[in-house]
Amino acid sequence: NAGVMQNPRHLVRRRGQEARLRCSPMKGHSHVYWYRQLPEEGLKFMVYLQKENIIDESGMPKERFSAEFPKEGPSILRIQQVVRGDSAAYFCASSPPGGLGTEAFFGQGTRLTVV
Amino acid sequence: GENVEQHPSTLSVQEGDSAVIKCTYSDSASNYFPWYKQELGKRPQLIIDIRSNVGEKKDQRIAVTLNKTAKHFSLHITETQPEDSAVYFCAASRVDSSYKLIFGSGTRLLVRP
Repeated sequence: NAGVMQNPRHLVRRRGQEARLRCSPMKGHSHVYWYRQLPEEGLKFMVYLQKENIIDESGMPKERFSAEFPKEGPSILRIQQVVRGDSAAYFCASSPPGGLGTEAFFGQGTRLTVV
Repeated sequence: GENVEQHPSTLSVQEGDSAVIKCTYSDSASNYFPWYKQELGKRPQLIIDIRSNVGEKKDQRIAVTLNKTAKHFSLHITETQPEDSAVYFCAASRVDSSYKLIFGSGTRLLVRP
């Protein structure tokens, strides 16, 4: 089991460009979570998705950010028209269907730098 | 809304001493409390967790205690070693149908040799 795979590991974008971050959950996991970590800060929940469904997007900024988890393929976090303040580490986590006895596993993260 | 407060923000101890990090949570429905260790440039890694049906859990030099009434939980590291130096995050979650985690702001632990 390769674990949660995120790519790219590092992404540099100019202001105004689009950033696309990918996350492949662990095998057998159907739940995906995205978190953002600003420099020197904790992780902030952004969005929780299951296949083809957004379950909780209470942490997503209202504009420019979107997420999807299609039936086939990885989950995508898309940031349009990036600004310097979007520079952060974006972590994806996955878990099996909910309930006691299991944990969420984190990927290695994508470090986005907006120049 | 849901909130987790974590103290202290930085902690420096001598090798061999104990370290204690404390967290409080606001959502009384939270029932799962993991602790993560994050080294510089790395992903958060689970080191120990506790569920609301127990008050204490221990794993070698690491222990976690939970006080549901006070909505307070703590991480205890005994016999600290330099390799324990990292940022530690507490988190709280309602484990009903998801593992959405609300994180504390982190504690930077430095263990001096």
